Amino acid sequence: EVQLVQSGAEVKKPGESLKISCQGSGYIFISYWIGWVRQMPGKGLEWMGIIYPGDSDTRYSPSLQGQVTISADKSISTAYLQWSSLKASDTAMYYCVSPKGGFGSPTDYWGQGTLVTVSS
Amino acid sequence: EIVMTQSPATLSVSPGERATLSCRPSQSVSSNLAWYQQIPGQAPRLLIYGASTRATGIPARFSGSGSGTEFTLTISSLQSEDFAVYYCQQYNNWPFTFGQGTKLEIK
Repeated sequence: EVQLVQSGAEVKKPGESLKISCQGSGYIFISYWIGWVRQMPGKGLEWMGIIYPGDSDTRYSPSLQGQVTISADKSISTAYLQWSSLKASDTAMYYCVSPKGGFGSPTDYWGQGTLVTVSS
Repeated sequence: EIVMTQSPATLSVSPGERATLSCRPSQSVSSNLAWYQQIPGQAPRLLIYGASTRATGIPARFSGSGSGTEFTLTISSLQSEDFAVYYCQQYNNWPFTFGQGTKLEIK
């Protein structure tokens, strides 16, 4: 059974750094793209970026390029979403996702979500 | 970036009735269109992909149609568990984009 298990909720202050994680299991981690989808409070879904762990090919949404870093550690089947300096507007639920059919296919698998709260 | 426009924003329907939701991309996405259901407090769930193929385990009362720039999700006989928010998403062009959602509520 494919599972994407995300790290727990975080409460941070503006300007702080953060790295949240998503561990994949039940499939060959390096062979499937894994991405991140943001959902701001009371709002819709927004793709942030996606990475292919096999060769670290990474695509970012143009609107978020430079604001976050997506990475993966093949050795522990884990993907990461990282901020160097959080803002209050980064407060959101973040979902780790994986389209099993590859890049440009529907998003079959979703993690449980990581709630990030940024507040002074 | 392809803009996905869903309508209506909110749809009020009685249990047992049919619901029809619309999704219109700003440019053609061929049949690379998916529908997701999100129940409050839960992650979204894939319902339909390829515009009209039900995902594994999705009941037959859910159906999708369309291609290009006009798509429809139909729920033939609404059950209590179907009242949720529905999103369409194109995966034809990066960045993949979602519609703003249609909230299906009990009338």
